[in-house]
Amino acid sequence: EAQVTQNPRYLITVTGKKLTVTCSQNMNHEYMSWYRQDPGLGLRQIYYSMNVEVTDKGDVPEGYKVSRKEKRNFPLILESPSPNQTSLYFCASSLSGVLHYTQYFGPGTRLTVL
Amino acid sequence: AQSVTQLDSHVSVSEGTPVLLRCNYSSSYSPSLFWYVQHPNKGLQLLLKYTSAATLVKGINGFEAEFKKSETSFHLTKPSAHMSDAAEYFCVVSPSGSSYKLIFGSGTRLLVRP
Repeated sequence: EAQVTQNPRYLITVTGKKLTVTCSQNMNHEYMSWYRQDPGLGLRQIYYSMNVEVTDKGDVPEGYKVSRKEKRNFPLILESPSPNQTSLYFCASSLSGVLHYTQYFGPGTRLTVL
Repeated sequence: AQSVTQLDSHVSVSEGTPVLLRCNYSSSYSPSLFWYVQHPNKGLQLLLKYTSAATLVKGINGFEAEFKKSETSFHLTKPSAHMSDAAEYFCVVSPSGSSYKLIFGSGTRLLVRP
């Protein structure tokens, strides 16, 4: 089954404790992206990757890191999480970019930073 | 900077009546526009998209949207609401010149009364 998977689905952590949220797709997609969703703000793009080893900042990259060492995986790293990073996070992928190919979204990761 | 404004945070309709979800965009150039739907506790799904072809765009589940450049609008409509349409809907713009970035509106929650 074609899908985007995220792990963990739920995470409660404390300020400053490094964490990684994994994202994996099995569709051989070139493009992957991370978003955070906050009430009343819609989704905001954190980082995206056009292909292996090619990443760029979205609108809210501060406090986040990403890497794209292989095509299927695009982990989101919070080196020192803070309470303002409490949010619902979505990973998405598409064959190439966002204009001409459908983006497939993962189920989301709900992160709480205490 | 390009942006989208969703004019209603909540819309409530009766089953079988028309749906209108309003979206206005700001852009110096002809943008690419999308509508995404998010059902409760689910990821996002593409409903339809406009990428400078026909101004009336048909999507899945009977939804359609019309791009009106003179009004800078991209409203989402459906002739007859179904209970399963209850969800949150996001109007989204891809900035001109970018195939990789998306800017989401704040969302409209659609309630369908029996």
